[in-house]
Amino acid sequence: EVQLVESGGGLVQPGRSLRLSCAASGFTFDDYAMHWVRQAPGKGLEWVSGISWNSGSIGYADSVKGRFTISRDNAKNSLYLQMNSLRAEDTALYYCAKDMATVTTSYYFDYWGQGTLVTVSS
Amino acid sequence: QSALTQPASVSGSPGQSITISCTGTSSDVGGYNYVSWYQQHPGKAPKLMIYEVSNRPSGVSNRFSGSKSGNTASLTISGLQAEDEADYYCSSYTSSSTPTVFGTGTKVTVL
Repeated sequence: EVQLVESGGGLVQPGRSLRLSCAASGFTFDDYAMHWVRQAPGKGLEWVSGISWNSGSIGYADSVKGRFTISRDNAKNSLYLQMNSLRAEDTALYYCAKDMATVTTSYYFDYWGQGTLVTVSS
Repeated sequence: QSALTQPASVSGSPGQSITISCTGTSSDVGGYNYVSWYQQHPGKAPKLMIYEVSNRPSGVSNRFSGSKSGNTASLTISGLQAEDEADYYCSSYTSSSTPTVFGTGTKVTVL
């Protein structure tokens, strides 16, 4: 059974940093691209960042480019999101999501974690 | 990159069919057959319902179908059931600097 478990969320002041983690199990982690998708309270979904199976291709939404860094450790079956210079508008539930395609990146998210809440407030 | 446009709400009675639209541009929906749809129940993670415009992942009911015409994609739910009441989001690959964008979301109510 595929499982994605996010952690690392919490309350943080504007301008500070936070690192999210996603522990994956139930599939061959290093065969798939992985993504972070967020959802502000009561709002819609927003793709944040994605990383290919071998970290060779990385992408970010314009809204986080230059502030967030995605990475993965295939030996630990883990995905990460380093979030710097956090703003109030980054407040959201952050989901870790598995890409559907093997080796390539399809931007179809076939498994999701339950999310970790990040609140940016003074 | 702006979000794709969806109606805020759609409703129907049990057994009826409803269609949710998702309107973009030639840089996203109209330019690629890379449209997907997600269902999200309150307090739950989204679930992939349709990919590549009209394909259903294993385990998704065949009451759900997708299509596309020009810059507008559509999700049709046939034989509407109470369990279909949820929020639905479309998504598309884009040629912009942000490679994928979601729709604004549609709340489906079963009357």
